[in-house]
Amino acid sequence: EDKVVQSPLSLVVHEGDTVTLNCSYEVTNFRSLLWYKQEKKAPTFLFMLTSSGIEKKSGRLSSILDKKELSSILNITATQTGDSAIYLCAVERYSGGGADGLTFGKGTHLIIQP
Amino acid sequence: DTEVTQTPKHLVMGMTNKKSLKCEQHMGHRAMYWYKQKAKKPPELMFVYSYEKLSINESVPSRFSPECPNSSLLNLHLHALQPEDSALYLCASSQDRRQPQHFGDGTRLSIL
Repeated sequence: EDKVVQSPLSLVVHEGDTVTLNCSYEVTNFRSLLWYKQEKKAPTFLFMLTSSGIEKKSGRLSSILDKKELSSILNITATQTGDSAIYLCAVERYSGGGADGLTFGKGTHLIIQP
Repeated sequence: DTEVTQTPKHLVMGMTNKKSLKCEQHMGHRAMYWYKQKAKKPPELMFVYSYEKLSINESVPSRFSPECPNSSLLNLHLHALQPEDSALYLCASSQDRRQPQHFGDGTRLSIL
């Protein structure tokens, strides 16, 4: 059974701080790892990391995939109150079905205090 | 608002009712998904449709019945649900297996 473990489960920091969120995984036939941000409604896509793209950056957010350690980190620099959300890590595996669902970790609940 | 549209946004139904959830996307995506999310838990995969064919059913009870009438539309038919089925039901779509899944805002379902 696929397994995704995120840490910490919750984190409270002050505006302007830098945070690092962790995700480790055990999955058969790993294909990709994805990060999502969830506020009140839909998870919003942030990054997708595969063997051919192990580092991604967008503004203050960046993510790295370590295939040897079976883990990933999500960094947020100069945090803002709008970054407060649950950050979900998910993995996808190869299967013969043509499309694969995601297995999610429990998420990191990030709170940014003004 | 997302490009994956789910209706209704909220639904309250009794255990003997029959209702349907609807999901629509016009991005030309050929894979569509249903997830169930309980409070303070991550989404859990229920069904995967690829090119309008059911490719994954994660051992979901038969009181949930998915349907994909065309490449833009995904339905989830509900019948004789239990109170523990109360949750946020999320639909997602993706271009293909190489592209990320994009989620709708969900339908918040309450079973009385």
